[in-house]
Amino acid sequence: AQSVAQPEDQVNVAEGNPLTVKCTYSVSGNPYLFWYVQYPNRGLQFLLKYITGDNLVKGSYGFEAEFNKSQTSFHLKKPSALVSDSALYFCAVRGSGGYNKLIFGAGTRLAVHP
Amino acid sequence: EAQVTQNPRYLITVTGKKLTVTCSQNMNHEYMSWYRQDPGLGLRQIYYSMNVEVTDKGDVPEGYKVSRKEKRNFPLILESPSPNQTSLYFCASKKAGTGDEKLFFGSGTQLSVL
Repeated sequence: AQSVAQPEDQVNVAEGNPLTVKCTYSVSGNPYLFWYVQYPNRGLQFLLKYITGDNLVKGSYGFEAEFNKSQTSFHLKKPSALVSDSALYFCAVRGSGGYNKLIFGAGTRLAVHP
Repeated sequence: EAQVTQNPRYLITVTGKKLTVTCSQNMNHEYMSWYRQDPGLGLRQIYYSMNVEVTDKGDVPEGYKVSRKEKRNFPLILESPSPNQTSLYFCASKKAGTGDEKLFFGSGTQLSVL
């Protein structure tokens, strides 16, 4: 069965420091991996995706994510955090055979402190 | 502006009183879906639709109905709401068949069933 784990409920980081939000997955076949961000009182917004190709994927707002097949991970990263990055981040996965089945993680709240 | 519009934004109702949450998209997307968001559980899919008159159950369809009579609209119907359906609901859409997995989300509907 497909599943996504975001092991941290919350990540705290100081502004200007690098940030990492962790995600691990379990899926049959080749994974399609995504990160979405939810700002307060808003719907989710697409950040980036990995389908195939380069393991380092660049997305919106300076975010990037690294796909690691051996560790079944897809961690979200940013070299220098901004206070405005504070939001709820969701990792999502679907297997290559499950077109309609996008499974979301429980979410990680990122708090960036001035 | 490309968008997914949900109404109402907030809804308080009582057990057993039928309600409908509307969802409309202006991007000519074939695929539409409903999710509910609960703390610690992430987003769970309720129903989805691949196109007009084509709908199917997601992970948590019990107590919900949907219809897709027009491409742009995908209402969510709760025939007899119960308190365990108190949740934050999101409608989403995407273009089907292109391999582009980018989902567009509405701003959400916070439902409270008393």
